[in-house]
Amino acid sequence: DAGVIQSPRHEVTEMGQEVTLRCKPISGHDYLFWYRQTMMRGLELLIYFNNNVPIDDSGMPEDRFSAKMPNASFSTLKIQPSEPRDSAVYFCASSLAPGLAGPSYNEQFFGPGTRLTVL
Amino acid sequence: QQPVQSPQAVILREGEDAVINCSSSKALYSVHWYRQKHGEAPVFLMILLKGGEQKGHEKISASFNEKKQQSSLYLTASQLSYSGTYFCGTEFDSNYQLIWGAGTKLIIKP
Repeated sequence: DAGVIQSPRHEVTEMGQEVTLRCKPISGHDYLFWYRQTMMRGLELLIYFNNNVPIDDSGMPEDRFSAKMPNASFSTLKIQPSEPRDSAVYFCASSLAPGLAGPSYNEQFFGPGTRLTVL
Repeated sequence: QQPVQSPQAVILREGEDAVINCSSSKALYSVHWYRQKHGEAPVFLMILLKGGEQKGHEKISASFNEKKQQSSLYLTASQLSYSGTYFCGTEFDSNYQLIWGAGTKLIIKP
């Protein structure tokens, strides 16, 4: 498998513009997570999905942020309008559901990330 | 609620041992350990669950003290490839929400 795929890898935009980040999880994974990483705040969970349904979006910083997962192989994180403080690396990660017969939890596989710079 | 990692950074010679700690102010359901190299994504190392179940890396070990609400990661006979920043992610309620520590930067010198 190719792993988690994210696009674009780098995005530079101007304040006020709409930004859309894309993620393709590993095939067969039930969970998808969106994270943001900055030097100041570290790694933060923004939202996660189970079987395409958003489970918890309490980490989404503001209404300017929205995420969708229209099918099992694609998710988007949108920022509209973007602001300089949104500059960060955004990671998407996916995971299998906990197994009944195996370990109670499975690891998260992270994509390479999208480095967003808002000028 | 963010877990506290210590030390913040450590420099070792190849072959030396290191211990990285992760402490929480709340009771933990599980602790996850990941390593991130500069400019790359975090990579899974270990999961430790309340009750003793573990899943993880062959050459790296960890402990989970539920009473003390802390976990430790043990890196023995360190190799150059162990360099990176180590993060612990803590879960409180079996809800898959990980709260991450600030990270411990490990530098291994030849």
